[in-house]
Amino acid sequence: ETGVTQTPRHLVMGMTNKKSLKCEQHLGHNAMYWYKQSAKKPLELMFVYNFKEQTENNSVPSRFSPECPNSSHLFLHLHTLQPEDSALYLCASSQVSFGGGAYNEQFFGPGTRLTVL
Amino acid sequence: DAKTTQPNSMESNEEEPVHLPCNHSTISGTDYIHWYRQLPSQGPEYVIHGLTSNVNNRMASLAIAEDRKSSTLILHRATLRDAAVYYCILRDVAGGGSNYKLTFGKGTLLTVNP
Repeated sequence: ETGVTQTPRHLVMGMTNKKSLKCEQHLGHNAMYWYKQSAKKPLELMFVYNFKEQTENNSVPSRFSPECPNSSHLFLHLHTLQPEDSALYLCASSQVSFGGGAYNEQFFGPGTRLTVL
Repeated sequence: DAKTTQPNSMESNEEEPVHLPCNHSTISGTDYIHWYRQLPSQGPEYVIHGLTSNVNNRMASLAIAEDRKSSTLILHRATLRDAAVYYCILRDVAGGGSNYKLTFGKGTLLTVNP
């Protein structure tokens, strides 16, 4: 148990469906992240939120829409996905210290295994 | 972020030490060396990090070469639970803003034999 929970753990959806992934962190952190892990590929950072503001979007297609209503919750809204979007989607959180200095590790959730048919 | 090179896979026997190497010949003076691992069906978890000096914690030890162009993660007594993909990551702490980013490579798949 890392203090980061993700729901659902498994999701199967058609290309025309709309679904959402949820992440919640119970660690009091100020930053949250979405990563994508495809089969046999490294983890790819998708989005970063600091203090509820999006600070990073790594050229992610608009069919993925993140939402961060508060510093404890992060959503990834999905619509009109493609089969190649099937992957493990991981959420993480950390306490960010700006200006360098102390390192605060990222804590990852268990992920949502997404299959797009 | 500077690049790291790790072997694709390594094998060890239970209760024996494991030395996982990482090359980072283009490391800059402000890059910290981090190790994370990912157990099967789980998200990655932090293992250890360091800058110049060797580091020890309850999970592992990190040995950093004097020129910082390579490092080694040491598991003193491997257990079956240590079977995972181990990632060596450089993180630049110069300035603010993006110092929180982690760029994962393919890592080393460690197999532990009973």
